[in-house]
Amino acid sequence: GDSVTQMEGPVTLSEEAFLTINCTYTATGYPSLFWYVQYPGEGLQLLLKATKADDKGSNKGFEATYRKETTSFHLEKGSVQVSDSAVYFCALIPNQAGTALIFGKGTTLSVSS
Amino acid sequence: DGGITQSPKYLFRKEGQNVTLSCEQNLNHDAMYWYRQDPGQGLRLIYYSQIVNDFQKGDIAEGYSVSREKKESFPLTVTSAQKNPTAFYLCASSGTAMNTEAFFGQGTRLTVV
Repeated sequence: GDSVTQMEGPVTLSEEAFLTINCTYTATGYPSLFWYVQYPGEGLQLLLKATKADDKGSNKGFEATYRKETTSFHLEKGSVQVSDSAVYFCALIPNQAGTALIFGKGTTLSVSS
Repeated sequence: DGGITQSPKYLFRKEGQNVTLSCEQNLNHDAMYWYRQDPGQGLRLIYYSQIVNDFQKGDIAEGYSVSREKKESFPLTVTSAQKNPTAFYLCASSGTAMNTEAFFGQGTRLTVV
């Protein structure tokens, strides 16, 4: 079945460092891809999305590009802040009606000043 | 404000008791979902519903039940048959167009003692 694999954490960075969180997927057809963020004790918030190959999603300085050839959707940010500390989830939804989001296991990011 | 409301935020129950978690949305979304979150496990799908009076089992439906009598509401009952019910439960909703993202509530942390 369809699945998402993301790098295990925790990822620990200093403020202003470059961030990459790897995400790869397995799916038939052309799924849509998402990154969600979860702050402690809260629900998930959509960070960005891409719905077709070569699309780049971006928001709040974060970017991810839908790479069909490598089945990847890596999350990047050029300069992280302490406030970016959170858990990041990569997810996909199959390109068919009546399905639900499939999530990776999440990557914890900790940024220190 | 439009959104998804889960209540209560924290819930304690004795082992062997059934408990119902509430989820209400005013986003006029047709689809609603329940996920369970455990440390290091990511989000796992319990049940989802694409339309009133219809729902489907997700990957870990055993020990849970749901109803969808109204478009706005999708309560989850954790029954005594669920062997390890202590977890963080997240409700979400979305439109039914393909490739659309889901919006999440703030979650309910259930502790069974």
